[in-house]
Amino acid sequence: EPEVTQTPSHQVTQMGQEVILRCVPISNHLYFYWYRQILGQKVEFLVSFYNNEISEKSEIFDDQFSVERPDGSNFTLKIRSTKLEDSAMYFCASSDKADLRHGELFFGEGSRLTVL
Amino acid sequence: GENVEQHPSTLSVQEGDSAVIKCTYSDSASNYFPWYKQELGKRPQLIIDIRSNVGEKKDQRIAVTLNKTAKHFSLHITETQPEDSAVYFCAATPGGFKTIFGAGTRLFVKA
Repeated sequence: EPEVTQTPSHQVTQMGQEVILRCVPISNHLYFYWYRQILGQKVEFLVSFYNNEISEKSEIFDDQFSVERPDGSNFTLKIRSTKLEDSAMYFCASSDKADLRHGELFFGEGSRLTVL
Repeated sequence: GENVEQHPSTLSVQEGDSAVIKCTYSDSASNYFPWYKQELGKRPQLIIDIRSNVGEKKDQRIAVTLNKTAKHFSLHITETQPEDSAVYFCAATPGGFKTIFGAGTRLFVKA
């Protein structure tokens, strides 16, 4: 069964450093997402991406965050200057439908980011 | 925007008993309600979903009910087993690209 894959599984970084989290969505999916889950809390929407541009973003997704699809398979989340409060599990997801009322989100295993 | 409330935050049941988790949503435009199960350290995985043209849906020991008028939806697990122990998230999709999750319910099934 096709899966969303993410790397790294865990990254530890110093406050102020840049971090790039990588995702390979399911190959025939066109809609990509990043979600965040702070330890013990709910899964929060960060951003959605389609056709090489952001389609929607939350208030969490400020200027410190950016997303990119650098090639035909990878989808990345960059945090420019990490803060302690960026420590969380970051989930990539993909879907084959634009409107999630008609499709399912497929999540990756997550990348745990620890900012010291 | 959409807001999803989920209760209880923790639920402990004896193996074989039923478990019920309840959610409410605020945006009447939402018409797709998935439920995700997340085991410790793992990804959320879809276990069942319901669309607003349906009041109830069952899949073996799992059922979901939806009351659109009251903006309530619930997850019912019957004959619970220890492997049902996990965090369960309800969610609502008001359209477009965003899925809004509830805060989660940690279910413990005691053998």
